[in-house]
Amino acid sequence: EPEVTQTPSHQVTQMGQEVILRCVPISNHLYFYWYRQILGQKVEFLVSFYNNEISEKSEIFDDQFSVERPDGSNFTLKIRSTKLEDSAMYFCASASRMGRNEQFFGPGTRLTVL
Amino acid sequence: AQKVTQAQTEISVVEKEDVTLDCVYETRDTTYYLFWYKQPPSGELVFLIRRNSFDEQNEISGRYSWNFQKSTSSFNFTITASQVVDSAVYFCALSEGGATNKLIFGTGTLLAVQP
Repeated sequence: EPEVTQTPSHQVTQMGQEVILRCVPISNHLYFYWYRQILGQKVEFLVSFYNNEISEKSEIFDDQFSVERPDGSNFTLKIRSTKLEDSAMYFCASASRMGRNEQFFGPGTRLTVL
Repeated sequence: AQKVTQAQTEISVVEKEDVTLDCVYETRDTTYYLFWYKQPPSGELVFLIRRNSFDEQNEISGRYSWNFQKSTSSFNFTITASQVVDSAVYFCALSEGGATNKLIFGTGTLLAVQP
């Protein structure tokens, strides 16, 4: 069964460093998302991406964040200068169609900023 | 504004008991979609069900059933004869019929099923 994959599973970084979180969505999906979950809290939308551009972003997704689909398979989230409060689980998701179709989530990357 | 409320932060039951997880949503859209996801201790998010706003039929899948009531803006989830493996955090989520289909999650309900 096709699935969304994410690497690494756990990333530890120093405050101020850049990190890139990687995702491989399901191959025939067209809509891509990043969400984050601070430990013990709810899952929050960060950004959606379709047709090689951002379609919506939340207030959390400030200038420190960027997304890219550098090739036909990867979808990345970059945090330019990490802050302590960026420590969270980051989930990638993909969907084949708008609305009706559920989003399939990857296993997440746990980011720890020291 | 869109909002999902899961008033139950934590529920503890004994195996084989039935349990209902509540979800209340707010939206101004007439077209929207509701979801339930399960997050086991391992951390991944597992899709359980999607309902759209046009279809108020209740659904049953094995031990799981869902009760969607537009009149009360609720989408409740019942597990019958709970098992220890059902222990997880359960999230209700809402997606409006907009441009991006982003999910708005509730705060989740931690279900602990004791043997």
